[in-house]
Amino acid sequence: EDQVTQSPEALRLQEGESSSLNCSYTVSGLRGLFWYRQDPGKGPEFLFTLYSAGEEKEKERLKATLTKKESFLHITAPKPEDSATYLCAVGGRTSGTYKYIFGTGTRLKVLA
Amino acid sequence: DAEITQSPRHKITETGRQVTLACHQTWNHNNMFWYRQDLGHGLRLIHYSYGVQDTNKGEVSDGYSVSRSNTEDLPLTLESAASSQTSVYFCASSERGYNEQFFGPGTRLTVL
Repeated sequence: EDQVTQSPEALRLQEGESSSLNCSYTVSGLRGLFWYRQDPGKGPEFLFTLYSAGEEKEKERLKATLTKKESFLHITAPKPEDSATYLCAVGGRTSGTYKYIFGTGTRLKVLA
Repeated sequence: DAEITQSPRHKITETGRQVTLACHQTWNHNNMFWYRQDLGHGLRLIHYSYGVQDTNKGEVSDGYSVSRSNTEDLPLTLESAASSQTSVYFCASSERGYNEQFFGPGTRLTVL
């Protein structure tokens, strides 16, 4: 069964305290792994795409990495404005059927 | 700037009524998607379209329909609204199927 699991469900960090969010997946016919940020009352906002194991992408305080079974979103020295829900999605294709499966997200709160 | 808009932003309706949610994008993307977001389930794909006159069922399509008569619009219709369809609905578009998706602001639908 295709599945995307994110952990932890919620995370509270002090400003400057680095940490990592995990996204593990079992999706056949992987075509890409995507990270999004979602603020309350808004639609998800795209952050990164990763297509193959070993790939890494960086943007400001965020760095995404990918292995064959999971992805990590590393947050270095976070600031309060990084508080949001971070969503992972996996794109795949099985027997001609398009899939774009989201995890339930990690709610991040960064305290000043 | 290109954008994706949804209307209405909030809707309250009664069980059994037909409801149509609008989605309009100015990215000129061929691919458009409808999701629902519920606590504990994350975002789930309802329908998607690869272009004009093309529509496909997603993971949770029962009770929903879409039509694509032009590139810019993909309206979502609930044929006979049910309380289980109370949710937040997001429309998205992408340049290609497994690219990043650009999301609208969402429509909060309540079915009484």
